[in-house]
Amino acid sequence: DTGVSQDPRHKITKRGQNVTFRCDPISEHNRLYWYRQTLGQGPEFLTYFQNEAQLEKSRLLSDRFSAERPKGSFSTLEIQRTEQGDSAMYLCASSRNRVYYEQYFGPGTRLTVT
Amino acid sequence: GENVEQHPSTLSVQEGDSAVIKCTYSDSASNYFPWYKQELGKGPQLIIDIRSNVGEKKDQRIAVTLNKTAKHFSLHITETQPEDSAVYFCAARYNSYGKLTFGQGTILTVHP
Repeated sequence: DTGVSQDPRHKITKRGQNVTFRCDPISEHNRLYWYRQTLGQGPEFLTYFQNEAQLEKSRLLSDRFSAERPKGSFSTLEIQRTEQGDSAMYLCASSRNRVYYEQYFGPGTRLTVT
Repeated sequence: GENVEQHPSTLSVQEGDSAVIKCTYSDSASNYFPWYKQELGKGPQLIIDIRSNVGEKKDQRIAVTLNKTAKHFSLHITETQPEDSAVYFCAARYNSYGKLTFGQGTILTVHP
């Protein structure tokens, strides 16, 4: 158990609906990352937080996606007007803030858009 | 940006044999290279990592080697066991924020 938790583990939604996922990082970790993983591929970076500041966003993160990390603790990832192409595993990872560090992943949220 | 290529995509070995997975990266500024194991329905689990100032690192049956000149790194698993069966991903980090760029993954099957 790495200590990163994600909720829900599975989400099925209809196209056009909004969904929100939550990530709780390991408590002493101030860096938090979101990745997306489609079937048969490696995870792809979406966005990164250091404490409450969102410091980098991938071009994969369209304007339908928004992420927050209020108070530098848990984070939420919202997808508005979901599309079938959004179906994927959404992974959260956290790490300490130091030059060399390990990123620990949560179990992921599997999103299916019908 | 960074690009990571991983080979082979599938690897089948007999229990007790060794397994080797290779990755190449494109950005010479990359300085940290972790390996993850992912089982079905689970998130990636960090199994070993190596920094750019080290050429080799070993942890029991698992070892990683890094060749900075050639820009490639490899995972070596000795005395494989059926429970080693999973998808393995290599990754590289090249910027200070720490985002990882992953390879495409290798499906390792260890036959009893």
